[in-house]
Amino acid sequence: QSALTQPASVSGSPGQSITISCTGTSSDVGSYNYVSWYQQHPGKAPKLLIYDVSNRPSGVSNRFSGSKSGNTASLTISGLQAEDEADYYCCSYTSSTTHVFGTGTKVTVL
Amino acid sequence: QVQLQESGPGLVKPSQTLSLTCTVSGGSTSSGSYYWSWIRQPAGKGLEWIGRSYTSGSTNYNPSLKSRVTISLDTSKNQFSLKLSSVTAADTAVYYCARNTLRFSFDYWGQGTLVTVSS
Repeated sequence: QSALTQPASVSGSPGQSITISCTGTSSDVGSYNYVSWYQQHPGKAPKLLIYDVSNRPSGVSNRFSGSKSGNTASLTISGLQAEDEADYYCCSYTSSTTHVFGTGTKVTVL
Repeated sequence: QVQLQESGPGLVKPSQTLSLTCTVSGGSTSSGSYYWSWIRQPAGKGLEWIGRSYTSGSTNYNPSLKSRVTISLDTSKNQFSLKLSSVTAADTAVYYCARNTLRFSFDYWGQGTLVTVSS
């Protein structure tokens, strides 16, 4: 299985909104609403931000939102803050009953 | 609060078997509401799902690793384990254990443990 495709880097100024894309295939992102997003700060374990395409776990800021269209899912961070600088990964369930992660996106706050 | 903690050797010789254990506290590995997964991350690279186990004993593995991986649950100890055989330098990574919801997301993670494959 091939990793989902994400942009290597995205940047924005404090207060701005940015969007990270996650492109898969009809065998994963396109077939299931089981896309999740994770935030990872250096040296730390990933943290769940979004599950089931657009749902936030308790305690996650509503500045994070998710969506999906066809084979591409997206994570939007609104009101960008310095603490949002991190790596972000998408993940999808697949038709082979496995999971596949995205290539990862480094977010820089200018 | 659910907590997961990986343990095992930090150094494994090439061609040998990597063995790690994840101890779960604040939750039960015998719960039918979760899978239990292993995920790894080579230095400076992305996340790779290795596989998962369910309380029924069923398992699912990444096709690229399937021939070398075994994940098993020990509900009596509230642990699950990873065995990866015939390791090479390419298997050097931080290994994470994680709770895998039935909605197919990973809601709790261990802190990760670095395993280096070297002679």
